[in-house]
Amino acid sequence: DTEVTQTPKHLVMGMTNKKSLKCEQHMGHRAMYWYKQKAKKPPELMFVYSYEKLSINESVPSRFSPECPNSSLLNLHLHALQPEDSALYLCASSRTGTGNSPLHFGNGTRLTVT
Amino acid sequence: GNSVTQMEGPVTLSEEAFLTINCTYTATGYPSLFWYVQYPGEGLQLLLKATKADDKGSNKGFEATYRKETTSFHLEKGSVQVSDSAVYFCALSEGTSYGKLTFGQGTILTVHP
Repeated sequence: DTEVTQTPKHLVMGMTNKKSLKCEQHMGHRAMYWYKQKAKKPPELMFVYSYEKLSINESVPSRFSPECPNSSLLNLHLHALQPEDSALYLCASSRTGTGNSPLHFGNGTRLTVT
Repeated sequence: GNSVTQMEGPVTLSEEAFLTINCTYTATGYPSLFWYVQYPGEGLQLLLKATKADDKGSNKGFEATYRKETTSFHLEKGSVQVSDSAVYFCALSEGTSYGKLTFGQGTILTVHP
């Protein structure tokens, strides 16, 4: 079982909807990540939070809005998405956020935008 | 910038065959290297890692050695099982990068009984 929990597992939303993806970890990790993965491709980094502060935003469109309420929780708020945003959204955490601290991934939320 | 190149897939093997998946990298500093595995319908799981030159990472019969002179981190397993069928990603991370991973394109492995 993964130690990073993501909800929901599947989400279908229209282009005018607002929804949120949630991620939780209880390993005491201080860095949390959002990745986007299209079919048959490697994950692409979207955001990094380190000690609850946004450290990296990989030029992600503003229709994706991350939030880190505390060190265990990470949300991704979605608004006015496009069909090309359909993908697997993966949350991950790492102990320190340094390069040699491996990432622990959740099983993802499979998002379909209609 | 950093980059990771993996051998083209897919790779199809019979059970108990020997597996090698090649991985080479380009990095400006001294990266840590990782192999992640993704089973169908799941997220990525860390398979093994190495943080400095000549380190050997190993787990579940898989192993890979960090070769700085050839900038490589090839994945090997002596005898694959059907349950090893998955997508394998080689990745690197630099020390000051907030753990940002640079991934290879992934190699699909299918093992037949």
